[in-house]
Amino acid sequence: EPEVTQTPSHQVTQMGQEVILHCVPISNHLYFYWYRQILGQKVEFLVSFYNNEISEKSEIFDDQFSVERPDGSNFTLKIRSTKLEDSAMYFCASSVIRGRDNSPLHFGNGTRLTVT
Amino acid sequence: QKEVEQNSGPLSVPEGAIASLNCTYSDRGSQSFFWYRQYSGKSPELIMFIYSNGDKEDGRFTAQLNKASQYVSLLIRDSQPSDSATYLCAVRNQGGSEKLVFGKGTKLTVNP
Repeated sequence: EPEVTQTPSHQVTQMGQEVILHCVPISNHLYFYWYRQILGQKVEFLVSFYNNEISEKSEIFDDQFSVERPDGSNFTLKIRSTKLEDSAMYFCASSVIRGRDNSPLHFGNGTRLTVT
Repeated sequence: QKEVEQNSGPLSVPEGAIASLNCTYSDRGSQSFFWYRQYSGKSPELIMFIYSNGDKEDGRFTAQLNKASQYVSLLIRDSQPSDSATYLCAVRNQGGSEKLVFGKGTKLTVNP
């Protein structure tokens, strides 16, 4: 079964550094997402991306964050000047169709980001 | 603030019993409802989705939706120890929003 692939599985960085999290969505999917989950808390929406542009973003997704689809397969999340509170599990997800009931999200295995 | 609420548990059931997981949501215009299973340290794994009032069955799992009461539930029949996980309820709201709003999850333990 096709999978969403995320790398690295664990990233440790120092506060103030930039990190890039990588994702390869399922090949025939058109919508891409980033969510995060701080330890012990809810899964939170960050951003959705379609047709090479952001279609929706949350209040969390401020100027510190950016997303990019640099080629036909990769989808990246960049966090500039990381803060301690950015430590979380970051999940990439993809779906086939936008806003349709039969288009559930499929999540990757996540990248655990630790900011020290 | 659009919220999804779940009893955090833990919910403990014996092997072979029915586990019942509940979720309420605040946005009356919500359109789609999803149940995900999350093992500790792992990603959410889709179990079922439902968008019409009533029941939807898939194997040992049954999702139930009552939009008037803003309530969605998941029943797991013949519970197995491998079902022990946190179950996340997620809701997609109306208005073309793509985002899923997640509850905090209910931790289920199935005892052998």
